Amino acid sequence: EVQLLESGGGLVQPGGSLRLSCAASGFTFSNYAMTWVRQTPGKGLERVSAISNSGGSTYYADSVKGRFTISRDNSKNTLNLQMNTLRAEDTAVYYCAKGPSGYYGEYFDFWGQGTLVTVSS
Amino acid sequence: DIVMTQSPDSLAVSLGERATISCKSSQSILYSSGNKNYLAWYQQKPGQPPKLLIYWASARESGVPDRFSGSGSGTDFTLTISSLQAEDVAVYYCHQYYSTPNTFGQGTKLEIK
Repeated sequence: EVQLLESGGGLVQPGGSLRLSCAASGFTFSNYAMTWVRQTPGKGLERVSAISNSGGSTYYADSVKGRFTISRDNSKNTLNLQMNTLRAEDTAVYYCAKGPSGYYGEYFDFWGQGTLVTVSS
Repeated sequence: DIVMTQSPDSLAVSLGERATISCKSSQSILYSSGNKNYLAWYQQKPGQPPKLLIYWASARESGVPDRFSGSGSGTDFTLTISSLQAEDVAVYYCHQYYSTPNTFGQGTKLEIK
């Protein structure tokens, strides 16, 4: 059974940092691209960052480029998102999502339960 | 960016009746050489993450009931639930993965009449 378990969310002040993690199980993690998608009531769903199965290719939305860094550890079946210089508009539920192949530009065939990030003073 | 527009924003359908949700893209998401439409549909129930229903516009994900179907090509797509069940109450999203940035529709909230 595929499982994705996010952690690391919480309340942080503007300008602060958080590191999200996603622990994967139930599939061969190193074969699949992974993505962070965030959801807010106002802006809906947004693909924030993605990484190929090997980690050799990455994607960042313009809204987070230069502030967020995605990484993965295939030996530990873990996906990470380092978020720096956080802004109020980064407040959202962040989902870890699995792709159907090693390429990150496709749909998402499984989503984690999400972790809430709140940026506020 | 490709804009995905769903209609209606909300929909109330009687149990056992057909529900139809539309999704229009601001430009074609058909990759002609492969004859594939780069469109997926997701279902999100309250307090849960999205769940994949349909990909490549009409391919049903394993385990999804066959009352769910996707159709359309180019810029106009439809998700149809042939006979609405109580457990289908949810918000439904379309998603284009033809070009970067991938974009989602705003969602359609489906309720029981």
